[in-house]
Amino acid sequence: QSVLTQPPSVSAAPGQKVTISCSGSSSNIANNFVSWYQQFPGTAPKLLIYDNNKRPSGIPDRFSGSKSGTSATLGITGLQTGDEADYYCATWDRLSGGFVVFGGGTKLTVL
Amino acid sequence: QLQLQQSGPGLVKPSETLSLTCTVSGGSISSDSHYWAWIRQPPGKGLEYIGSIHYSGSTYYNPSLKSRVTISVDASKNQFSLKVTSVTAADTAVYYCGRDGITTKFDYWGQGTLVTVSS
Repeated sequence: QSVLTQPPSVSAAPGQKVTISCSGSSSNIANNFVSWYQQFPGTAPKLLIYDNNKRPSGIPDRFSGSKSGTSATLGITGLQTGDEADYYCATWDRLSGGFVVFGGGTKLTVL
Repeated sequence: QLQLQQSGPGLVKPSETLSLTCTVSGGSISSDSHYWAWIRQPPGKGLEYIGSIHYSGSTYYNPSLKSRVTISVDASKNQFSLKVTSVTAADTAVYYCGRDGITTKFDYWGQGTLVTVSS
């Protein structure tokens, strides 16, 4: 059971837009930055979004992040078949001295 | 370009200690702005934070693993290491090292090491 709640799966057609939610609480998302990761099978996760809505160099602006209260959202526009992957959110949780928590992950299928 | 190279055994016996090392190249581990982290992923499951260390020695651990985990740093070798004691089959996972930019920004990752706990 993950501290952050994500939908197990989402799907959309190529060219469409999809959003992935990440729900937390006052001890984590509400008071800390959120980051998002993309992971393809057999590879290490890749940073997509950090500090809620910033994109590292090389990440296309089709990927966006937002946060409101105890929830965060990853948005992907202009879906491509190459976006089909697992997506994870992460943030800091101040309980028990502080540690990083991840969402359970969301499998994106591009139909 | 920063690179993280992991090393360590891929097979550990139950009740023994899992040990992995992450060597940083292309940059210094002695950065005030970064922690260095271990994250694992059981087969077919999601990511789980193990812990992080600053070159100064400051550490954070996942409370669920804290009693069995030690993360250490050797700045002279630009390395940091993970030890997990008393392992069981539940510790079987791909283990990743990574750079943590303090705001939960894991921007560089090691290649991952599958560690299987089995006799």
